[in-house]
Amino acid sequence: DAGVIQSPRHEVTEMGQEVTLRCKPISGHDYLFWYRQTMMRGLELLIYFNNNVPIDDSGMPEDRFSAKMPNASFSTLKIQPSEPRDSAVYFCASSYRGGGNTIYFGEGSWLTVV
Amino acid sequence: GENVEQHPSTLSVQEGDSAVIKCTYSDSASNYFPWYKQELGKGPQLIIDIRSNVGEKKDQRIAVTLNKTAKHFSLHITETQPEDSAVYFCAASMGGGSQGNLIFGKGTKLSVKP
Repeated sequence: DAGVIQSPRHEVTEMGQEVTLRCKPISGHDYLFWYRQTMMRGLELLIYFNNNVPIDDSGMPEDRFSAKMPNASFSTLKIQPSEPRDSAVYFCASSYRGGGNTIYFGEGSWLTVV
Repeated sequence: GENVEQHPSTLSVQEGDSAVIKCTYSDSASNYFPWYKQELGKGPQLIIDIRSNVGEKKDQRIAVTLNKTAKHFSLHITETQPEDSAVYFCAASMGGGSQGNLIFGKGTKLSVKP
């Protein structure tokens, strides 16, 4: 299996611009997660979906952040407008209930907002 | 909510020595405790996990112990090798992991000197 695929791997953008991060979960997985990693706060869960439906978005920091999962093989995390404090590594991860609860992470999208 | 504390934040050992990383959690309802290894520029990868009905689990050179009474769990790596150098994260969950409520520790940077 190709694993969780994220794009872009690296993005540098100017403050105020819209940023869209993309994720393709492992085929057959029914849970999809978006995490953010920073030195100060570590790994934080932003939002997760089950069968394409958002279950818990309490970790989404502000209304500037939004996430969608239009189908089982694709999800986006959008930041509009972006701010320097959004600079972080954003990880997408997936799992399936019958798989022993293992959560598989992608390689991450490294975002820098200048 | 759940809070996971991880110690030490950095650990340096000589090749062949053992390494121990400790975590404590706050919510006695937590029942799933995975450990992830993160190499530079990559996403976290599950290396071992333990559930609350087990006190110890071993997989070759790595082992995890769980003390539910004291609410702490530890990762033990024996016969360390340079390729073990990475950041290790512990996590705790009440929903077995698939529900997305994995709470991570802040990580331990392990350096194995040849």
